Amino acid sequence: ETGVTQTPRHLVMGMTNKKSLKCEQHLGHNAMYWYKQSAKKPLELMFVYSLEERVENNSVPSRFSPECPNSSHLFLHLHTLQPEDSALYLCASSQGTSGGDTQYFGPGTRLTVL
Amino acid sequence: AQSVTQLDSQVPVFEEAPVELRCNYSSSVSVYLFWYVQYPNQGLQLLLKYLSGSTLVKGINGFEAEFNKSQTSFHLRKPSVHISDTAEYFCAVSPWGTYKYIFGTGTRLKVLA
Repeated sequence: ETGVTQTPRHLVMGMTNKKSLKCEQHLGHNAMYWYKQSAKKPLELMFVYSLEERVENNSVPSRFSPECPNSSHLFLHLHTLQPEDSALYLCASSQGTSGGDTQYFGPGTRLTVL
Repeated sequence: AQSVTQLDSQVPVFEEAPVELRCNYSSSVSVYLFWYVQYPNQGLQLLLKYLSGSTLVKGINGFEAEFNKSQTSFHLRKPSVHISDTAEYFCAVSPWGTYKYIFGTGTRLKVLA
């Protein structure tokens, strides 16, 4: 099993659709992250979960809703998105959240909002 | 607040030539420093990191970086690049005791035959 997996790899959705992104880590880590990667911009941290508790919500619009049912799984629920939300969404995990921990990234979901 | 600057958005270099990718950061607190690489259609992968100790850090695939506190820099180097090193490289900092990562905008390294 690869360390961090994400499904689907590609997603095209209309502005009125509801969809979910899934992330699973097989590393026994305690923290999981969602990032947004847009062209020519730094990675944007969206959400952080530590031991299944959300510790960061980085001023993300409410049309993005995270869920962390256990330490191995992380979801990002999407609804009524805008075209500017089109981007690569990356999931990552780390052993802890005290700094210095290596983050392990999944391959990402390429999202296109029409 | 912290910020990371990667001034070079693209760096073309011929195969077997040396390369340096520049990274400068700004922070009012102590930080850990990282370099990640992203190959096409993949997530980011750690190349190396500086936590403490020797300022010269060696990573995977023959890369190394040197932490220079006075110049707030953490430049990445490789003495001889291969075609397979073609990828995007991201510098990042993480303030001590936090989960936050602050990434640069990335440098696209293109190795030419």
